[in-house]
Amino acid sequence: RKEVEQDPGPFNVPEGATVAFNCTYSNSASQSFFWYRQDCRKEPKLLMSVYSSGNEDGRFTAQLNRASQYISLLIRDSKLSDSATYLCVVPRGGSQGNLIFGKGTKLSVKP
Amino acid sequence: EAQVTQNPRYLITVTGKKLTVTCSQNMNHEYMSWYRQDPGLGLRQIYYSMNVEVTDKGDVPEGYKVSRKEKRNFPLILESPSPNQTSLYFCASSFRGLGANVLTFGAGSRLTVL
Repeated sequence: RKEVEQDPGPFNVPEGATVAFNCTYSNSASQSFFWYRQDCRKEPKLLMSVYSSGNEDGRFTAQLNRASQYISLLIRDSKLSDSATYLCVVPRGGSQGNLIFGKGTKLSVKP
Repeated sequence: EAQVTQNPRYLITVTGKKLTVTCSQNMNHEYMSWYRQDPGLGLRQIYYSMNVEVTDKGDVPEGYKVSRKEKRNFPLILESPSPNQTSLYFCASSFRGLGANVLTFGAGSRLTVL
């Protein structure tokens, strides 16, 4: 299994749709996980942190399944402004602040 | 404003001409890191630094050097750039301890080596 693996997409969805992305990771010792959002040609920015079973912030829900070693990001009621690439991020074992980035899943929300 | 500042933002250079990309943060972060981003390969770590005078290789350090003489600055040096170093480069920083994995990125430096 690769260290962090994501479906590259693209996911093309209409406004208002619910869309979910999955990410699998190989390091079973990882305790925290992150979703970053990256707009085209811009820097990545933190979207959500996941420290236990999950986290919810408005229309965004992140869930963690430790047994199967995957995390998911659910976006409800998609907006045009949600169009971006979503990066799954897992700390490298034993090194604080040293992160492994997935290659990202591209989301395009259409009117 | 809390930020990570990279310069230059865009650069076109020629093979073998030494260049430095500067990175500066004003948040008193201990941890700083350089990434390169290429189509289909995602973000790959070049070097990182846990604190002043402490640097370590990331996944793709070949052809790069870094230094951390001051807490706020973490320059990336390409001693003899080659075309395969054409890429989008990001500098990032964070605190250690709680919040260690919440990275603040610079706006990116797009480098083209001819």
